[in-house]
Amino acid sequence: AQSVTQPDIHITVSEGASLELRCNYSYGATPYLFWYVQSPGQGLQLLLKYFSGDTLVQGIKGFEAEFKRSQSSFNLRKPSVHWSDAAEYFCAVGAVDSSYKLIFGSGTRLLVRP
Amino acid sequence: EAGVTQFPSHSVIEKGQTVTLRCDPISGHDNLYWYRRVMGKEIKFLLHFVKESKQDESGMPNNRFLAERTGGTYSTLKVQPAELEDSGVYFCASSPPRAGWGNTEAFFGQGTRLTVV
Repeated sequence: AQSVTQPDIHITVSEGASLELRCNYSYGATPYLFWYVQSPGQGLQLLLKYFSGDTLVQGIKGFEAEFKRSQSSFNLRKPSVHWSDAAEYFCAVGAVDSSYKLIFGSGTRLLVRP
Repeated sequence: EAGVTQFPSHSVIEKGQTVTLRCDPISGHDNLYWYRRVMGKEIKFLLHFVKESKQDESGMPNNRFLAERTGGTYSTLKVQPAELEDSGVYFCASSPPRAGWGNTEAFFGQGTRLTVV
């Protein structure tokens, strides 16, 4: 069965430092990949998505992600973290047998030190 | 434009009771989805409506869960009777007609946190 792994449950970074959140997915010849963020009291918001083409995808709020087929990874990065980035981040893949069903990872909670 | 709205934001009920969660999708969105996150684990798909029709309910855990979308507008998810393992956060999402991976995204609500004690 398809799955998404986010190996880090929590990550703490200092404000201004760079960030990388890891995501690995299981099979899918051409995966549809997503990163969502949930800030406190908010719904899940789409940060970026990858369907095809350039493997480096730019998203909102200064985030980017790189698709690496050889590593089955879709890591999320940001060069300089702001305190407002503290939230929970979810990686997701589109189910191969569906055009609408998302399969999520278990999330990574980001804490930002002042 | 209003986003996806879920009611209530929190609910605490006793085991054996009934709870009804409501989702108001974005106006004009034919597609409505329910997801659930249990115990800090991954968010899992429950079901998908297209207008008032259930297209896919493969993720519904058992027959204690009943989802409806009368009139193709808002949707309710009823849990009856609730069990301890039903505790979690229930998310609703919606997307426009004829949505697919390449042309749109699903917009999520803030979720309903259900606690069964």
